[in-house]
Amino acid sequence: GAVVSQHPSWVICKSGTSVKIECRSLDFQATTMFWYRQFPKQSLMLMATSNEGSKATYEQGVEKDKFLINHASLTLSTLTVTSAHPEDSSFYICSADSGTGGLWSNQPQHFGDGTRLSIL
Amino acid sequence: QKEVEQNSGPLSVPEGAIASLNCTYSDRVSQSFFWYRQYSGKSPELIMSIYSNGDKEDGRFTAQLNKASQYVSLLIRDSQPSDSATYLCAVLRQAGTALIFGKGTTLSVSS
Repeated sequence: GAVVSQHPSWVICKSGTSVKIECRSLDFQATTMFWYRQFPKQSLMLMATSNEGSKATYEQGVEKDKFLINHASLTLSTLTVTSAHPEDSSFYICSADSGTGGLWSNQPQHFGDGTRLSIL
Repeated sequence: QKEVEQNSGPLSVPEGAIASLNCTYSDRVSQSFFWYRQYSGKSPELIMSIYSNGDKEDGRFTAQLNKASQYVSLLIRDSQPSDSATYLCAVLRQAGTALIFGKGTTLSVSS
């Protein structure tokens, strides 16, 4: 159980285009989803927290107009990288919190498989 | 000071040895602690969770927590080449908030 599907797994596109990444919780409702970015040899850095039906909360230094997040349902959050440039090339990972585990949950969040984004 | 700190490594151990990975955290309100394993190009995979001071064992893995020292560790016994990966320490301050990750320690187990 607790499967999170992330799509696409890999995308290559030209500079200036927009790319949409989907994150779906397949067998549970995700009250909160998180978007992380990971550059090579670096850790996962939180970009934003997404709550269903409300605006996402972005971390300091993350441009909300460039990284558009939509959490329209309890099973789907999307991240759109607008006007992508080579410096946006990274590994993007989403995770979902069902909201039922609490602080002592053995697994508070479930991760998608990640999206490798390469901007030429 | 970063919230979660780990030595980046690489940590090299021979097959069959014990690998010891360490992590310190800065926020005393952190309540839940996790170790993830990440293979290159893949998403993190949960190995262990720990909430109380002391040791928690699961197979070849033992997590240790010392809240007074703000220190978490992971021991891997009988290390195997397949254990070669990056190990990420993560903390959770409040339910429903994001995990905060350390930079990770790269472990290399040689056969």
